[in-house]
Amino acid sequence: QQQVKQSPQSLIVQKGGIPIINCAYENTAFDYFPWYQQFPGKGPALLIAIRPDVSEKKEGRFTISFNKSAKQFSLHIMDSQPGDSATYFCAASKSADKLIFGTGTRLQVFP
Amino acid sequence: DSGVTQTPKHLITATGQRVTLRCSPRSGDLSVYWYQQSLDQGLQFLIQYYNGEERAKGNILERFSAQQFPDLHSELNLSSLELGDSALYFCASSVGGGVNQPQHFGDGTRLSIL
Repeated sequence: QQQVKQSPQSLIVQKGGIPIINCAYENTAFDYFPWYQQFPGKGPALLIAIRPDVSEKKEGRFTISFNKSAKQFSLHIMDSQPGDSATYFCAASKSADKLIFGTGTRLQVFP
Repeated sequence: DSGVTQTPKHLITATGQRVTLRCSPRSGDLSVYWYQQSLDQGLQFLIQYYNGEERAKGNILERFSAQQFPDLHSELNLSSLELGDSALYFCASSVGGGVNQPQHFGDGTRLSIL
């Protein structure tokens, strides 16, 4: 019940494409869903986060869609750029509790 | 730059040894979290401290321990090291205090056990 399932494991898109990464959770007590971006040799960096009372949140080219009834949330990257090539992690937590991370999606954006 | 500082960046040691990893949180953050990132296990939560007190425990082995000092920096101690302990160890910090606050990660310590 503590797992967060993330897919796909890897994704290749061309510049300008819209990669979509999906995550699913079981624990309905989770109330905070962040996405992190990680470049090689660096720590995860917070991209955007959502709470379950909101169905969508946009920050720049990044959008989170949240479906509470399906217990799923996804990250969309609009007009993707080669600089977006990184590993993306979804996560979930309950209040101030630990973050439960998905297994990560390695995104490659080709020019 | 997240504002979270971890030292050292790299650590190479042998089985059976003991090492200490250090983390300085962002200015003003009271919570410190430790995570382990390995290829087969992904990012796993180890332990959280808030203002010097242990707040939550995850998949932390008994050979591992941590503490948070009055100046809020934290140390993760790993002892009787095994080959399987080779991983990236990340520290994150947040304002904390019982509400969801973003966790900001340092760039990690890469531990290699020979």
